[in-house]
Amino acid sequence: ETGVTQTPRHLVMGMTNKKSLKCEQHLGHNAMYWYKQSAKKPLELMFVYSLEERVENNSVPSRFSPECPNSSHLFLHLHTLQPEDSALYLCASSHRDRGTEQFFGPGTRLTVL
Amino acid sequence: GEDVEQSLFLSVREGDSSVINCTYTDSSSTYLYWYKQEPGAGLQLLTYIFSNMDMKQDQRLTVLLNKKDKHLSLRIADTQTGDSAIYFCAENYAGGYNKLIFGAGTRLAVHP
Repeated sequence: ETGVTQTPRHLVMGMTNKKSLKCEQHLGHNAMYWYKQSAKKPLELMFVYSLEERVENNSVPSRFSPECPNSSHLFLHLHTLQPEDSALYLCASSHRDRGTEQFFGPGTRLTVL
Repeated sequence: GEDVEQSLFLSVREGDSSVINCTYTDSSSTYLYWYKQEPGAGLQLLTYIFSNMDMKQDQRLTVLLNKKDKHLSLRIADTQTGDSAIYFCAENYAGGYNKLIFGAGTRLAVHP
C-alpha cells in the first residue's frame, strides 16, 4: 500500500470500551499527527510526533492516549470515551522540517454510544 | 495568537470562477496552504505559496497573497461539479516543528 492508511475506517464503541486506532505511512516521513474533525471544531490538532518523540499534546483529555512505536506507525488508544468524542479522526505524516507537505489518511469515523 | 479564518460556505454556478478567502494572524508564517477535502476522504494538498510571493498560478488555480493585510485567496477558474468539496486554508506554525494551523474550511457547492 502507498500513502497514509488508517484502520478501521469506521468504529462504533460504548463508553466503557477500550479500542485503538491505527495509522501507517509508507512515505519515509519522520513526523506524524493526529487530528480530530467534528462539526463543532472542524480541524483540531491533537498530537504531534517528531522523530518518534511527542512534541505537542494540545490539551487533549487523558482518555486519548497516543503511541508512536516507530516512524511508520501511530496509534490512538481510546478508553472511557464520551459521546462528544464522536468525530472523524485523521492521521497525517510529513517530514519534520517546517513547511513540508502533510499527507493525510482517509480518517476513522468514530461513534461513541 | 494563532488564528485562521474563512467564510463557511460558497455556492457557484458551473463554469463560473470561485474565490475562497482566508485571513491569518501569524506574520512570521513562511508557507500558506490550500487543502481540499472531498466527502469521506482525508485532506489533500492543492497548492501552497511562499510568503515572499504575491501570486502563484497552477492550471485553473490562482493563489493571491496580500501579506500586509494577511489575506490569502484561492481562485478556481471554470469551476466544475468535481470541485465541490471543503477547502481549508492553513498557515505554518512559527515554532520548531512542522505544525499547521487550519481554518474552519469553506464548503464549495457547484450547481448546474
